[in-house]
Parts: sequence; C-alpha cells; structure tokens
Amino acid sequence: GENVEQHPSTLSVQEGDSAVIKCTYSDSASNYFPWYKQELGKGPQLIIDIRSNVGEKKDQRIAVTLNKTAKHFSLHITETQPEDSAVYFCASHTGGFKTIFGAGTRLFVKA
Amino acid sequence: DSGVTQTPKHLITATGQRVTLRCSPRSGDLSVYWYQQSLDQGLQFLIQYYNGEERAKGNILERFSAQQFPDLHSELNLSSLELGDSALYFCASKGPSGAGELFFGEGSRLTVL
Repeated sequence: GENVEQHPSTLSVQEGDSAVIKCTYSDSASNYFPWYKQELGKGPQLIIDIRSNVGEKKDQRIAVTLNKTAKHFSLHITETQPEDSAVYFCASHTGGFKTIFGAGTRLFVKA
Repeated sequence: DSGVTQTPKHLITATGQRVTLRCSPRSGDLSVYWYQQSLDQGLQFLIQYYNGEERAKGNILERFSAQQFPDLHSELNLSSLELGDSALYFCASKGPSGAGELFFGEGSRLTVL
C-alpha cells in the first residue's frame, strides 16, 4: 500500500548549522509533497510544499528537493535557530486522494 | 488559528465506552480528514470525506466510524474503547482544488483508563 518513510527520527544540530530530513514515497501516482511542522501541543502546520512538476523550491531558510525517479524528497533548513526545534513531518498526496505522512523527525536546535 | 475547530480538547473515559469527536472545517472547505497520533508516533490517516461523501479510507478500525453532515462538520465515533485508543485525534480540512495544504485543528486528546 501507500507508504512514506522518513529519516532520521531524531536530529540534533547546533544553532546556525543546517538540518536535512529525507523521505521516500511508494506511490508513483503521488503528485504533491508537503512538509509540516508540529510544535508542542499544536496541530501540524504547513511550512513548504512541492508539486511533482518541480524539482526544487526555496522559501528563505527552507528548501525542498524532489527526485521523482528515485521517489525521494528532502527538507533542508539552513542557519537553524532554536525556534526551529519541533517535529517535522513529510507527506505525500497519493493518486487515491489520501495524504500519507511520514513518521516524523524530532529536531533539536542547541543554542 | 487554522480556522478548524475541534471539540472536545480533552476527554477521559473508561474502556468499553463510546465517544464522539467533532470537527468544524474552515469556512468553504469541503474536505475533512481524520488522523490519529499516538504518543511519539506519526499521523495515521483514518478517513476522508468530501462534501458529505466518504472519499478515502485508511487503517480505520471497525469500531470507529465517521460522517460528514450537510453543514460540512464531521464527527468521528469511537466505540468499545480500548486502552490503546488513547491518542490525539486531529481533524484537517482542505480547499476544493485537488492536492493542497491541509489545515489542522488543535486536536482532541482522548485518554482511555
């Protein structure tokens, strides 16, 4: 069935360093790949997304890349700040109307 | 504020009981999604409705059911509750045009004792 694998499950970086989170999806009909940030006690919130006709997208310190052939997509956060500490989820919107989430990455940014 | 409202925020009940979780989507959104998030776990897709009709189903247990009403609010019914059903239940809504951003509510935290 549809599946999204996400790595690593936990990531600890020093403030100012970069953080990279990687995901792999299984459904070749997937066409939309959002990334969500979940802060403690809150619902996930979209931070960036990419559609299948684009290879890369950037928004200030955040970028996402997509390799459709390999079914990989990645989130890159540069110049990390303590407020970037949260749980990050990748997701893929499949051909069957579902949005399937990865297991999440807990990011710690140490000041 | 995402515009998605979930009630109740917290609910404590006993095994074997039944509860109903309610979700009001953002104004104008026709799609409602339900997700379950257990402690330190990811978001497990349960079910999706679009304009009152079931659109997609995930790993939703037979003890769970949902519906979307004509005013577009949705309810998730959980019955014969077990300890393992303790989790955060999120509702999300989406606009009408194909794949796009999900707007999540703040969740309903269910504790089964």
